[in-house]
Amino acid sequence: EAQLVESGGGLVQPGGSLRLSCAASGFTFNNYWIHWVRQAPGEGLVWVSRINTDGSATFYADSVKGRFTISRDNAKNTLYVQMSSLRVEDTAVYYCARGYSQGFDIWGPGAMVTVSS
Amino acid sequence: QSALTQPPSASGSPGQSVAISCTGTSGDVGAYNYVSWYQQHPGKAPKLIIHEVTKRPSGVPDRFSGSKSGNTASLTVSGLQAEDEADYYCCSYAGSNNYVFGTGTKVTVL
Repeated sequence: EAQLVESGGGLVQPGGSLRLSCAASGFTFNNYWIHWVRQAPGEGLVWVSRINTDGSATFYADSVKGRFTISRDNAKNTLYVQMSSLRVEDTAVYYCARGYSQGFDIWGPGAMVTVSS
Repeated sequence: QSALTQPPSASGSPGQSVAISCTGTSGDVGAYNYVSWYQQHPGKAPKLIIHEVTKRPSGVPDRFSGSKSGNTASLTVSGLQAEDEADYYCCSYAGSNNYVFGTGTKVTVL
């Protein structure tokens, strides 16, 4: 069964940094684009970032461009996002999701990131 | 990139149908046949129920159907069941490697 599981969430102060990981299993990880999508408490879903199959192309929403860096290690079947200069408005559940026909077919359970002093 | 517009809520009795609209622009919904729909129960991750406007992934009941006209996509849930009570989000590819989600619709089964 294809599965994604995020880890690394937690509480961080404004201006701080945090790295999330997303471990994949049950499918050929290096055949798929992978995305990060976030959801602030009580709010809707927002696309954050995407990486292509070999990590050579990365894309970001304007709201995180220059602050977040997406990467992947296909040998470890793992996706990452390095988040820096974090703001209160970055507080959200962060989901990794497998790309499928310009949508997202497999989602992890999410990792909560809280940015607060 | 502005969020796609969905009604905040929709409701129906068991067995009835409910339709949810998703309005975008000529740069996203109107430009690409890459509209997808997601069902999200409280505290859970979203689940893909429609992709490429009308296609259902394996395992998704045929009670769920999608369509599109111009800049507006729609999801119809026929034969409402109690387990269909959830939040529903549309999403469209918006070009230039960007994706935009809808504002979300809470479906209540009366």
